[in-house]
Amino acid sequence: GQQLNQSPQSMFIQEGEDVSMNCTSSSIFNTWLWYKQDPGEGPVLLIALYKAGELTSNGRLTAQFGITRKDSFLNISASIPSDVGIYFCAGHTSNTGKLIFGQGTTLQVKP
Amino acid sequence: DAGVIQSPRHEVTEMGQEVTLRCKPISGHDYLFWYRQTMMRGLELLIYFNNNVPIDDSGMPEDRFSAKMPNASFSTLKIQPSEPRDSAVYFCASSLPGYSPLHFGNGTRLTVT
Repeated sequence: GQQLNQSPQSMFIQEGEDVSMNCTSSSIFNTWLWYKQDPGEGPVLLIALYKAGELTSNGRLTAQFGITRKDSFLNISASIPSDVGIYFCAGHTSNTGKLIFGQGTTLQVKP
Repeated sequence: DAGVIQSPRHEVTEMGQEVTLRCKPISGHDYLFWYRQTMMRGLELLIYFNNNVPIDDSGMPEDRFSAKMPNASFSTLKIQPSEPRDSAVYFCASSLPGYSPLHFGNGTRLTVT
């Protein structure tokens, strides 16, 4: 079946460092979405991308929709302790329209 | 404005008992989704509705699981009988049509002993 390969699986960084994570697939996607999940809560939408090549920022977060429509990355600049959580990529596939989620990247930030 | 509301937040039950999880989607959202999250399998789509009609239930694990949406503002996910392997966090999400992002509730953590 269709899969999103999200990497890295986990990251442990120092406060102030920049973070980068990405998702890739062999399938073409019509959208790329990035979510963050805090402990005990549901995923919350961070950034939504709808067009190949689109680069969008939300504060310290920047995400891009890959030009091939098969990948996306999320960057977090100058990380802070509250960035801790699980980050998910998700995308609507072009052939089925279904929303598929990556396995998540667990981010830990050391003060 | 209120987001997706799920109840209960936590449910602990014994194997064999019936469990009912509840969800109120965001008003005006046509789509409602039920997901299950576990460490091993991540986020799995169980079923989704469009305008209260079930569209795809291929993710429902087995006949013990059933979901209903009697009206635009309420849905239930029922497990009968429950088993320990059903222990997970169950999320409800809703969205507008098209390639709109999903908005998630805070989930129900189910523990079956």
